[in-house]
Amino acid sequence: AQTVTQSQPEMSVQEAETVTLSCTYDTSESDYYLFWYKQPPSRQMILVIRQEAYKQQNATENRFSVNFQKAAKSFSLKISDSQLGDAAMYFCAYRSGTASKLTFGTGTRLQVTL
Amino acid sequence: ETGVTQTPRHLVMGMTNKKSLKCEQHLGHNAMYWYKQSAKKPLELMFVYSLEERVENNSVPSRFSPECPNSSHLFLHLHTLQPEDSALYLCASSQDVLTGARTDTQYFGPGTRLTVL
Repeated sequence: AQTVTQSQPEMSVQEAETVTLSCTYDTSESDYYLFWYKQPPSRQMILVIRQEAYKQQNATENRFSVNFQKAAKSFSLKISDSQLGDAAMYFCAYRSGTASKLTFGTGTRLQVTL
Repeated sequence: ETGVTQTPRHLVMGMTNKKSLKCEQHLGHNAMYWYKQSAKKPLELMFVYSLEERVENNSVPSRFSPECPNSSHLFLHLHTLQPEDSALYLCASSQDVLTGARTDTQYFGPGTRLTVL
């Protein structure tokens, strides 16, 4: 079974600084997708960024980028120029290429300080 | 309205009550999902519907009964729940369960915070 591990329960970053959230996963499949979701205190889960495993190029979305290391099964999220609105729970998730199920990590709570 | 909506946002019920959670998606998607989010635990997938047919049921107790009357609406009927069922219940939708587009992103609703007394 696939597992997703987020080893940082909480992280803190100063406004305008850069922070990296870590995620590792375990799978024997070669076709899969990885996601980072953000859940602000209002609770609505929002997709931040996604990565297809067959793509070597790291995904980027404005201030958000990933470092996808397929061999190491690592999928970290980098947030540049952090803003107060980035404060939230961040969840890493895995989806097999042949199934609908998303497997989530336990989340990292990010605090953004002035 | 746009996106995925859920009602009610908060629900308190006794163990002998019967209640229902409602989810509606305005994205034209064909697949809908129920997740349970408990404190300190990863989100747990409960049910998956594709074109109104249940395609996945992850060993969920029978006191949770889903219903998908059409591709835009999903219900979760609750009866004789236990206090440990208290959690945030999230609904999500995606274009389809499996698509040729490969990256079939799931979009989430705001959730229903359920408390079972």
